[in-house]
Amino acid sequence: DAEITQSPRHKITETGRQVTLACHQTWNHNNMFWYRQDLGHGLRLIHYSYGVHDTNKGEVSDGYSVSRSNTEDLPLTLESAASSQTSVYFCASSEGLADFKETQYFGPGTRLLVL
Amino acid sequence: GDSVTQMEGPVTLSEEAFLTINCTYTATGYPSLFWYVQYPGEGLQLLLKATKADDKGSNKGFEATYRKETTSFHLEKGSVQVSDSAVYFCALSNFNKFYFGSGTKLNVKP
Repeated sequence: DAEITQSPRHKITETGRQVTLACHQTWNHNNMFWYRQDLGHGLRLIHYSYGVHDTNKGEVSDGYSVSRSNTEDLPLTLESAASSQTSVYFCASSEGLADFKETQYFGPGTRLLVL
Repeated sequence: GDSVTQMEGPVTLSEEAFLTINCTYTATGYPSLFWYVQYPGEGLQLLLKATKADDKGSNKGFEATYRKETTSFHLEKGSVQVSDSAVYFCALSNFNKFYFGSGTKLNVKP
């Protein structure tokens, strides 16, 4: 079955370290998204991509970067981890329909703790 | 810009009670509307969706009707179970962008 996976599921790191969270989908979806979820803020969009070599900033992109070298993967990098980036991170994908009526499918999440 | 507003929680109900979680939206054009559910420690799962006005989405006893005249997509279930305890997110999709509500936590007591 097609799916979307994230790794690692849990990560502890130290302030200032570079961290990369992986996201892999097997649906061949064009669109991929990264969100963070924090108490009191719901889901906030970090970065998104509409296809290979395309990346766009979301509402909370500072301190994060992504690159899209193939259809299946959109890794999220924290350049220099900060305690404010302790959160649960969700990857999502959608087909990229011409009529723009999309359904997003979510991965299981990565819980990141920055000490 | 487009946005989604849903009722704040938590909502606490007894088993077999009727559930309504309100959701209203602001959008240009004709968005698709969704309800997602998130169980503890898991990602968001699509619960139901509607892609045009007057459509009713339904799944697992949950229903929501796309009301363009009131810009609403309220989630309902006639008889909740303890296993329905989760966080519910209303969302809309428009021009390849997604907008989520802040989530409503539902607690169902036996």
